[in-house]
Amino acid sequence: QQQVKQSPQSLIVQKGGISIINCAYENTAFDYFPWYQQFPGKGPALLIAIRPDVSEKKEGRFTISFNKSAKQFSLHIMDSQPGDSATYFCAASNQVLKGAGNKLTFGGGTRVLVKP
Amino acid sequence: DTGVSQDPRHKITKRGQNVTFRCDPISEHNRLYWYRQTLGQGPEFLTYFQNEAQLEKSRLLSDRFSAERPKGSFSTLEIQRTEQGDSAMYLCASSLDLGSLHFGNGTRLTVT
Repeated sequence: QQQVKQSPQSLIVQKGGISIINCAYENTAFDYFPWYQQFPGKGPALLIAIRPDVSEKKEGRFTISFNKSAKQFSLHIMDSQPGDSATYFCAASNQVLKGAGNKLTFGGGTRVLVKP
Repeated sequence: DTGVSQDPRHKITKRGQNVTFRCDPISEHNRLYWYRQTLGQGPEFLTYFQNEAQLEKSRLLSDRFSAERPKGSFSTLEIQRTEQGDSAMYLCASSLDLGSLHFGNGTRLTVT
């Protein structure tokens, strides 16, 4: 059972444009929602994360919007740059559950290509 | 570089052989995680350790897979009697308690 669904699978955006990636989750016990960026041949790197007590978090050009009632969250990349071309993964975990650690469940990924 | 280190970066093996991968986490991190990532997919959780104790194993971790973290520092992941379906990128991550996960660059396994 895929607990985190991510869309679109791929995205092409012009330099300076906005990239928007959406994720939906099923497990209402999730309480931590990070986004990771992965370049070819590298491991995922944390970009930004949010908890359900806030609806939006912004760090530089990256913004997470969170809708708890809809069980959805999204990543917005403002002023997209060619260097942002990578695969982006949303993820979710339940940090409160005893023994759960910070076990992340990942979405399927979105390959973003920013054209110069 | 004080990040998560994985060795080897690439491993090609024949079906039926055993392979072992090593992960060196960030030194002060007490939690260590193994994930598997196939082409075009997100990482899938395999197992995690808190210090030397293995606290959870995924159903993906068949009995051909074994992971250890003997002294609470580095970890090894062994796959016995490899199958072609084991071909994937094996990622290691570490964290300090419930802090964010820091991933290594993975070991890419190809089973021929």
